[in-house]
Amino acid sequence: NAGVTQTPKFRILKIGQSMTLQCTQDMNHNYMYWYRQDPGMGLKLIYYSVGAGITDKGEVPNGYNVSRSTTEDFPLRLELAAPSQTSVYFCASSRTVNQPQHFGDGTRLSIL
Amino acid sequence: LAKTTQPISMDSYEGQEVNITCSHNNIATNDYITWYQQFPSQGPRFIIQGYKTKVTNEVASLFIPADRKSSTLSLPRVSLSDTAVYYCLVGDNSSASKIIFGSGTRLSIRP
Repeated sequence: NAGVTQTPKFRILKIGQSMTLQCTQDMNHNYMYWYRQDPGMGLKLIYYSVGAGITDKGEVPNGYNVSRSTTEDFPLRLELAAPSQTSVYFCASSRTVNQPQHFGDGTRLSIL
Repeated sequence: LAKTTQPISMDSYEGQEVNITCSHNNIATNDYITWYQQFPSQGPRFIIQGYKTKVTNEVASLFIPADRKSSTLSLPRVSLSDTAVYYCLVGDNSSASKIIFGSGTRLSIRP
């Protein structure tokens, strides 16, 4: 039971660099989400998707981009990394909007 | 958007019942209430979900009063392994964009 898989687990970037955080799920869920969690804080929704080809902004989308070409994959792109984007990023999926979300183990990203 | 408020931290002892309350004064008719548990270096894990009254599963109970302005997660007979952060989430049944996680309650269980 893989569930939601995120890669990489850790990454250090320099300011201005770009990278893609990968997320894949094997539960055939329609909904997928990206959150960030700053130290000692709750999760904030960055982007979400209701199905392949459909994405929308969450609470804190600035500085990020997403795409959803398949049901399984929902990558998160940082184009110009900034220190404020240092955080732990969690990907999640759910069958519908009001079904429980299944989370990956997160990507810890540091931008120096 | 229904903002949630939870106690920052709680302490209890093994074998006790623990109740964590979440306030959500602006909850809308379509909003549902979900609780998650998070251990360090892991993603949140679903505990329980409800719309009104009482819901019970094998690990917890969720009490929601008639006005739905608050909810209480009840953990029966806690153990050391229940030490974690617990999040109350209020979500809109119609849109994922309105999902808001609370700031979480750090529960510490002592022997």
